[in-house]
Amino acid sequence: DAKTTQPPSMDCAEGRAANLPCNHSTISGNEYVYWYRQIHSQGPQYIIHGLKNNETNEMASLIITEDRKSSTLILPHATLRDTAVYYCIGSSGGSYIPTFGRGTSLIVHP
Amino acid sequence: ETGVTQTPRHLVMGMTNKKSLKCEQHLGHNAMYWYKQSAKKPLELMFVYSLEERVENNSVPSRFSPECPNSSHLFLHLHTLQPEDSALYLCASSPGPGAFSNQPQHFGDGTRLSIL
Repeated sequence: DAKTTQPPSMDCAEGRAANLPCNHSTISGNEYVYWYRQIHSQGPQYIIHGLKNNETNEMASLIITEDRKSSTLILPHATLRDTAVYYCIGSSGGSYIPTFGRGTSLIVHP
Repeated sequence: ETGVTQTPRHLVMGMTNKKSLKCEQHLGHNAMYWYKQSAKKPLELMFVYSLEERVENNSVPSRFSPECPNSSHLFLHLHTLQPEDSALYLCASSPGPGAFSNQPQHFGDGTRLSIL
């Protein structure tokens, strides 16, 4: 199971891109990288996941390095409502239980 | 109503009380989960159900008792809790049928539990 490492906090100006890094140097070949976020007083919300290729959806883009040891979640135009704790986790399904770490607390300021 | 709904949103109880937390999902999912989130700590997985059978119990004290009567409902029965059990209890579901199975989890907004 991959252990993930994220910076404890980041900040970003409203309207700018927020780039949240995650290191997962022990990730195995069949482990996906998942991103969730948790806004204060709410449950975690799924954002995006990927295995090898970069992924994009209506919420964000996920860039995974070729060696798969790190990834970056990109919020292209951050808004104040994107202020949340962002979690990067590895999951390979089966009996593997993904572990949520402490995540990155992103503060988007005006 | 869609998504994962948890009731009550807030609960205050004494250490000798018995109460239950309820989770309901309207997503047609087959796997459901209970998590505990204490202040300033990561989420801790408590129980996992797949197709109404418990498949994982992360060494949770017996004062927490889960129940999954069908694939849409999940309960967490509480009795003689301790002050350190005060936390946000989150329910989640995923499509399944296997637990996790490389599929995103959908979370409810949790029950904020305070033990007096």
